Amino acid sequence: SSELTQDPAVSVALGQTVRITCQGDSLKNYYVSWYQQKPGQSPLLVIFGNNNRPSGIPDRFSGSISVTTASLTITGAQAEDEADYYCNSRDNTGDQLVFGGGTRLTVL
Amino acid sequence: EVQLVESGGGLVQPGRSLRLSCAGSGFTFDDYAMHWVRQVPGRGLEWVSHISWNSGSIAYADSVKGRFSISRDNAKKSLYLQMNNVRIDDTALYYCAKSAVTDDDALDFWGQGTFVTVSA
Repeated sequence: SSELTQDPAVSVALGQTVRITCQGDSLKNYYVSWYQQKPGQSPLLVIFGNNNRPSGIPDRFSGSISVTTASLTITGAQAEDEADYYCNSRDNTGDQLVFGGGTRLTVL
Repeated sequence: EVQLVESGGGLVQPGRSLRLSCAGSGFTFDDYAMHWVRQVPGRGLEWVSHISWNSGSIAYADSVKGRFSISRDNAKKSLYLQMNNVRIDDTALYYCAKSAVTDDDALDFWGQGTFVTVSA
């Protein structure tokens, strides 16, 4: 089982704001990254270092963290944002990386 | 253009060995840490292993520790995963991924993956 916990599924109306969360004790000590994966595609990094956006990622994607809960927020969700989203960080020992179980985002 | 191309996947019997390769291009390969991540179809991502730019730091997931070995050849711009004593539950799509320049734990580019099927 993952040491990072995500809700399995979230939905959002087109153009509205959605927050996807990732909980884990290790987040107190280590950065979190977020990945988007669409069907049949490789994952895409959308946030690293808790709240940094790689070049080319739309600014509607943002990241934040509060103690042991990290959040990926999509402000003004678009149809193309429908995908699986994964968080990753270190495990509680700091020796290994771990992914959250993933959240399937549906844009209604 | 950054490219990561995995190869070496296929059908292998339980208990046997397989070696995966990942060829990198479009970036300075020896500047970056690299990772292997796997995914069972329809399931989530599972981190497998990490190697630092100079092979000085290596880590494995508990599920593969003692059976898998990661290595790299910077002169050949290649990453490897030696899989020994494979098990049925090693069946998955195996991705190689490149670390971001400022954060070894952020995987900023992924290959398309190579599929490993473990079956008798």
